[in-house]
Amino acid sequence: AQSVTQLGSHVSVSEGALVLLRCNYSSSVPPYLFWYVQYPNQGLQLLLKYTSAATLVKGINGFEAEFKKSETSFHLTKPSAHMSDAAEYFCAVITDKLIFGTGTRLQVFP
Amino acid sequence: KAGVTQTPRYLIKTRGQQVTLSCSPISGHRSVSWYQQTPGQGLQFLFEYFSETQRNKGNFPGRFSGRQFSNSRSEMNVSTLELGDSALYLCASSLADSFNEQFFGPGTRLTVL
Repeated sequence: AQSVTQLGSHVSVSEGALVLLRCNYSSSVPPYLFWYVQYPNQGLQLLLKYTSAATLVKGINGFEAEFKKSETSFHLTKPSAHMSDAAEYFCAVITDKLIFGTGTRLQVFP
Repeated sequence: KAGVTQTPRYLIKTRGQQVTLSCSPISGHRSVSWYQQTPGQGLQFLFEYFSETQRNKGNFPGRFSGRQFSNSRSEMNVSTLELGDSALYLCASSLADSFNEQFFGPGTRLTVL
């Protein structure tokens, strides 16, 4: 069965620092992978998706993720954190339904 | 284009009652999926409807049910509410199937007392 694992339930960075949120997947077939963001009291918003077209995927708000088959990883990065990036981030894989990771809460300190 | 709307946004019920939540998808979207989000269990898939038919179902008891109307609007119903049903219920719509990008609504916050 396909699944995703997010390492670190909380990540704290300073404003301007690199953001790295980790996601590893388990899949016997090439997966479709997603990163979603959830701001307080809101639904989920798609940041980016991997559908095997390119291994480096650029998303909204300056985020990007690289699909690494050898490491079964799809980590989310942003070169320079902004205060507005504080939110919860979910990695997800799709089979016949979306299967989410447990989420990583990102805190950004001034 | 208007986004996914969910009503009501907040709901308080007592144990044993039943509740109906509503979701209006983005115009033109035919697939509607429902998710339950809790601090303990995270985001869990409830079910998906496409063209008025349930196409997929998660591992939830039969107290959780749903339906979809001809205009793609969807409702989910929870009967005999339990304290553990307190959660944020999220609806998502997509064009045709779940492999398309899913657009989420703001959710309905259900509190069971």
